[in-house]
Amino acid sequence: GENVEQHPSTLSVQEGDSAVIKCTYSDSASNYFPWYKQELGKRPQLIIDIRSNVGEKKDQRIAVTLNKTAKHFSLHITETQPEDSAVYFCAAKLGSTLGRLYFGRGTQLTVWP
Amino acid sequence: EAQVTQNPRYLITVTGKKLTVTCSQNMNHEYMSWYRQDPGLGLRQIYYSMNVEVTDKGDVPEGYKVSRKEKRNFPLILESPSPNQTSLYFCASSRADRETQYFGPGTRLLVL
Repeated sequence: GENVEQHPSTLSVQEGDSAVIKCTYSDSASNYFPWYKQELGKRPQLIIDIRSNVGEKKDQRIAVTLNKTAKHFSLHITETQPEDSAVYFCAAKLGSTLGRLYFGRGTQLTVWP
Repeated sequence: EAQVTQNPRYLITVTGKKLTVTCSQNMNHEYMSWYRQDPGLGLRQIYYSMNVEVTDKGDVPEGYKVSRKEKRNFPLILESPSPNQTSLYFCASSRADRETQYFGPGTRLLVL
């Protein structure tokens, strides 16, 4: 099956700095890579996703990059704000098996004012 | 309002007592899935359903059952719960596979 590794497990940044979270996957056939944000006590919510035919996608302060050759993808948050503090999960869908979604173990991001 | 609902939100039970956690969505989504969330382990997929009467195992299906008799409902059944099934459970749905998944509010289960 797929294996998704996520680093770092915790990340602390000063407000206004950038934050980068990296994930690697094992199955080269993976073709869909969503990122979810989970605030304390809340449900996960999709913040951005990328498909394997695209190398980068941006949405305001958030961007995701995908390197298919190296089998890794990253979340970039610029100009971080205290409300960005949350747990972030990356995930990957296998290309060969419909329906399965594999999550990384999460990154606790803390943005200090 | 488009939403995924789960019931109950909190449940304390004892080992061996069968229970069902319901999940319902009002978005006419084809795809539904169950996850469990444990500290340090992230979200792990239990079962998923691509459509009515189509279900399949995820990463951690042992000890769980599901059914998909109607498009909107996807209940999770624990026939004989054990303490290692104590966890936070999320149901999710999406229009199709590889589309945005919308999560329910979660069900916190404690098995004594």
